[in-house]
Amino acid sequence: RKEVEQDPGPFNVPEGATVAFNCTYSNSASQSFFWYRQDCRKEPKLLMSVYSSGNEDGRFTAQLNRASQYISLLIRDSKLSDSATYLCVVNIPNTIKAAGNKLTFGGGTRVLVKP
Amino acid sequence: EAQVTQNPRYLITVTGKKLTVTCSQNMNHEYMSWYRQDPGLGLRQIYYSMNVEVTDKGDVPEGYKVSRKEKRNFPLILESPSPNQTSLYFCASSFVSGSYVYTQYFGPGTRLTVL
Repeated sequence: RKEVEQDPGPFNVPEGATVAFNCTYSNSASQSFFWYRQDCRKEPKLLMSVYSSGNEDGRFTAQLNRASQYISLLIRDSKLSDSATYLCVVNIPNTIKAAGNKLTFGGGTRVLVKP
Repeated sequence: EAQVTQNPRYLITVTGKKLTVTCSQNMNHEYMSWYRQDPGLGLRQIYYSMNVEVTDKGDVPEGYKVSRKEKRNFPLILESPSPNQTSLYFCASSFVSGSYVYTQYFGPGTRLTVL
């Protein structure tokens, strides 16, 4: 089982609609969680950090469910410019060494917003 | 301007010819990391560094070397490149506190082709 898994999509979304997708992680010791956005062949850029209480930034809402070990991203009122791949990132502590961080990316969920 | 820079951006080389991809950040970040991105495999961590002179293997370290002699620089070295190292490479940096990694900032990527 992969440490961080995402539905690759694509999610074809009509402009103005709401889309949501999850990311599951296997290590219960995982700490920080992030959603990144990546446009084709460009560098990933931070979309949102994900906090235990959930957080919202404009049309984007991120949730963390530690019991079920997944994070979610919801996009409301989708815009054409939201078309991208959304990467889930999980910080898994290095249990072998006293200090160290392994940042594991999910494979990404592709979202296509269409007129 | 806060940024992560990588050089070169594009490189075509031949099997066995040693090469170095440079990465530099101007944000005084402790944590730096290298990733490769391949179709269908997502972003995979090659090496990371918690601070100067502290480096560790990621998920796919074979065939790569790194060094962290200065806080701002984290070069990726391919001693004897092979065609299976053809990929898109990203460098990233972030602040870190204990085992918590904050937002990662990515460089623009280096597209490497090994013939």
